Amino acid sequence: EAGVVQSPRYKIIEKKQPVAFWCNPISGHNTLYWYLQNLGQGPELLIRYENEEAVDDSQLPKDRFSAERLKGVDSTLKIQPAELGDSAVYLCASSWGGSSYNEQFFGPGTRLTVL
Amino acid sequence: AQKITQTQPGMFVQEKEAVTLDCTYDTSDQSYGLFWYKQPSSGEMIFLIYQGSYDEQNATEGRYSLNFQKARKSANLVISASQLGDSAMYFCAMREAVQGAQKLVFGQGTRLTINP
Repeated sequence: EAGVVQSPRYKIIEKKQPVAFWCNPISGHNTLYWYLQNLGQGPELLIRYENEEAVDDSQLPKDRFSAERLKGVDSTLKIQPAELGDSAVYLCASSWGGSSYNEQFFGPGTRLTVL
Repeated sequence: AQKITQTQPGMFVQEKEAVTLDCTYDTSDQSYGLFWYKQPSSGEMIFLIYQGSYDEQNATEGRYSLNFQKARKSANLVISASQLGDSAMYFCAMREAVQGAQKLVFGQGTRLTINP
C-alpha cells in the first residue's frame, strides 16, 4: 500500500514569489492534514480536511496561505507571497476514522527555503 | 502553557541498552490519546505506539513500550535493546478534543543518538 505522497520534496524560492505543495493521501483516508514544522520543533497543524471540507483552519495564516481539496482526495497548499519566515518543512498527513487509534500517517514533507 | 513537554532535547545511548524518553502532558479532558512518532533524517513521521486515556494496560509494540502514569500526566516511551537505526527525533503527541474536533498537539521532540 502506497503511503502519503508529497511533492516536491525540496523547493527554493525568493521571497515574494508564490509556491505550491501537493499531497496525495493514502487511498481511502478521508481526513487530510497539513502541518508546518519549523527547525527543531514539533509539527503544528495548519488545516484539517474531512473529505473536501476544511473543518479546522484556525491556524492557517489566511492572508497569504490557502489550501484546497476539491474532490476530497489530493490537496494543494499555496503560499502567496512567500516570506523569509515561511522557510520550514510542510508535512501532509492522512487518517481513516475507522481505525483503532485514528493514527495519522505522514508524508516525507516538502522542505521550503525562502531566500 | 505547553500541552506536551519533552524535557530532553538530546539523548545519547550505547547500542543494546534500553532508553526512556520523557513526555508529560497537560489536559483537563477525561478522554484523550497519546502517541509517539519517530522522525528519521529522511523527514517522514513514523507512528510507533498509542495509549488511550482509559487504557488500563501500558501499550507495547515490539521493542517499544509506553510507561503511562495517568496521575502524573506522563507517557514516557521506553525502547528496549536499542539499535543504531533507532537514531532519530522522537515526538510525543496528544490527541484531544478542541471545539468538537480532534486535534493532535506535538511536543518539541527529543533527538536520540545510538552509539555503537
